[in-house]
Amino acid sequence: DQQVKQNSPSLSVQEGRISILNCDYTNSMFDYFLWYKKYPAEGPTFLISISSIKDKNEDGRFTVFLNKSAKHLSLHIVPSQPGDSAVYFCAATPRGGSEKLVFGKGTKLTVNP
Amino acid sequence: KAGVTQTPRYLIKTRGQQVTLSCSPISGHRSVSWYQQTPGQGLQFLFEYFSETQRNKGNFPGRFSGRQFSNSRSEMNVSTLELGDSALYLCASSLVPGTDGNTIYFGEGSWLTVV
Repeated sequence: DQQVKQNSPSLSVQEGRISILNCDYTNSMFDYFLWYKKYPAEGPTFLISISSIKDKNEDGRFTVFLNKSAKHLSLHIVPSQPGDSAVYFCAATPRGGSEKLVFGKGTKLTVNP
Repeated sequence: KAGVTQTPRYLIKTRGQQVTLSCSPISGHRSVSWYQQTPGQGLQFLFEYFSETQRNKGNFPGRFSGRQFSNSRSEMNVSTLELGDSALYLCASSLVPGTDGNTIYFGEGSWLTVV
């Protein structure tokens, strides 16, 4: 039972354009969401997070949107840069003092120069 | 400020052996959790520790165990290694679990190959 789903295994965009990575979840107990960027053989690097009390959070080129009713979140990267090419993971955790992250399978983003 | 440090970075073990992996969290962080990444299963939660107590455990067999020390450093152990245990083992740390804005940071991981 996959509670966090990233339905697009890969995404290719042109440098300077917007990258939109999507994530859906099924567990209504999730209320804190994080996005990580990962290169092969390295640990995930934290990008941005959002709490369920918000619907948007921005940090520089990265914006995360949360639609609780649809159980959907998205990560927008504007403008996209070749250095953004990596695998992006969406993760969710329930409230209640747990650090147990449930990860999606990841989306491989390729930004072409 | 040093990040999450994991040792060793790479190791090769034989089936049936056991292995111990070490994690030093970011200074001041008291929560440590462990994850396994494999190509087939993705990133999966192993266990979580806070103040030397295991708070949560993932769906892994009893061969997988861990502990946390008073200085927040953590170790995980896998006994009777199987070929399927070959994976990247990741440690993560955070300040206080379950609080809004509590960012969870990952180490570089320990690559385990079982032959």
